[in-house]
Amino acid sequence: KQEVTQIPAALSVPEGENLVLNCSFTDSAIYNLQWFRQDPGKGLTSLLLIQSSQREQTSGRLNASLDKSSGRSTLYIAASQPGDSATYLCAVRPAETSGSRLTFGEGTQLTVNP
Amino acid sequence: NAGVTQTPKFRILKIGQSMTLQCTQDMNHNYMYWYRQDPGMGLKLIYYSVGAGITDKGEVPNGYNVSRSTTEDFPLRLELAAPSQTSVYFCASSLRTGPNTGELFFGEGSRLTVL
Repeated sequence: KQEVTQIPAALSVPEGENLVLNCSFTDSAIYNLQWFRQDPGKGLTSLLLIQSSQREQTSGRLNASLDKSSGRSTLYIAASQPGDSATYLCAVRPAETSGSRLTFGEGTQLTVNP
Repeated sequence: NAGVTQTPKFRILKIGQSMTLQCTQDMNHNYMYWYRQDPGMGLKLIYYSVGAGITDKGEVPNGYNVSRSTTEDFPLRLELAAPSQTSVYFCASSLRTGPNTGELFFGEGSRLTVL
């Protein structure tokens, strides 16, 4: 059974700092991995999707990497801003089918202090 | 596009009552999902559908039912509500083919309290 772990559970940093969020998974047979952002009381917003054949994806100040063999993904946020404060979740989709069950981590709650 | 739309946003039910959470998407996505999110427990898949007329159970289907009569709509029905069903419910959808296959798009959530 796939298990997804996100460390740390919470992170507080000063504005302007570069930071890395970690996501690890136990079964390397994945179809893709997706990073989400969730603001309090809101739904999940897709940030980056990495297919299993890719090593990284970039969007603005965000860069996500994937190392399937070691079961790890990182989300790098450059020059953090108070508006980046949210919970960040990663989710993996199994390789045996492209359409069904994702396994979510429990998230990292990020606070960026002005 | 409105994306994924869920109604209602908030609802309080009494034990034993029934209700339907509505979900509709206007992105012509094949796949639709219902998740529940409990504090400290992450997101758990309740039911999913790979297309109109096809549904399947997820991790925590007990106490729920779904239908998928159209591509756009995927309602979730709670029968005989129990306090254990107090949660935030999220509907999501994704494409089956294309360069971003499997990218999930979520609705804003429906917060349900059962008293």
